[in-house]
Amino acid sequence: AQKVTQAQTEISVVEKEDVTLDCVYETRDTTYYLFWYKQPPSGELVFLIRRNSFDEQNEISGRYSWNFQKSTSSFNFTITASQVVDSAVYFCALSEAEDSNYQLIWGAGTKLIIKP
Amino acid sequence: NAGVMQNPRHLVRRRGQEARLRCSPMKGHSHVYWYRQLPEEGLKFMVYLQKENIIDESGMPKERFSAEFPKEGPSILRIQQVVRGDSAAYFCASSPSLRVNTEAFFGQGTRLTVV
Repeated sequence: AQKVTQAQTEISVVEKEDVTLDCVYETRDTTYYLFWYKQPPSGELVFLIRRNSFDEQNEISGRYSWNFQKSTSSFNFTITASQVVDSAVYFCALSEAEDSNYQLIWGAGTKLIIKP
Repeated sequence: NAGVMQNPRHLVRRRGQEARLRCSPMKGHSHVYWYRQLPEEGLKFMVYLQKENIIDESGMPKERFSAEFPKEGPSILRIQQVVRGDSAAYFCASSPSLRVNTEAFFGQGTRLTVV
């Protein structure tokens, strides 16, 4: 069965600190996709990244970076030099690649509070 | 190219009324997915539709909830006789093909409040 666990319910840091959001997933498939989304206070969902299971290279996009480790089934997200605008709820999600598995399975989210 | 459009953004209904949520997919997308987000929780899959067909409604409550995606016009999620527990954000996503594991473009959501 597929499952996504975001153990950190809420994280609070001071601006300019680095922060890592954890995501652990469970799947029996060898081919799958992992996602991160940001949900700011306004409520919309902002797509951040999609990673397929065959690509374990870490990715960096500006202040954002993602560490994908198949050995520990983790896909962690780090924000470097955090800013107040990064305050949001962040969701990790999983989708398996078989045609019958099109659903996105979501974690419960981590609420990130960046204090000025 | 407009994104996925959902309306209304906010909807208030009294208990027992009907709620109709609309989703217009991105241009060229013929697959629509509805998700529900209860307060303080992640999203949960409800239903997957293609034009004029419900492909998978396994995540949708058996009673009071229905969905359609007609040949013309938006997809509609309909909730009859709403109860307080239906208060949630309802998100729609669309994709051009079967697999949602493209970026799964999401609308801005409809926030339903049942009073």
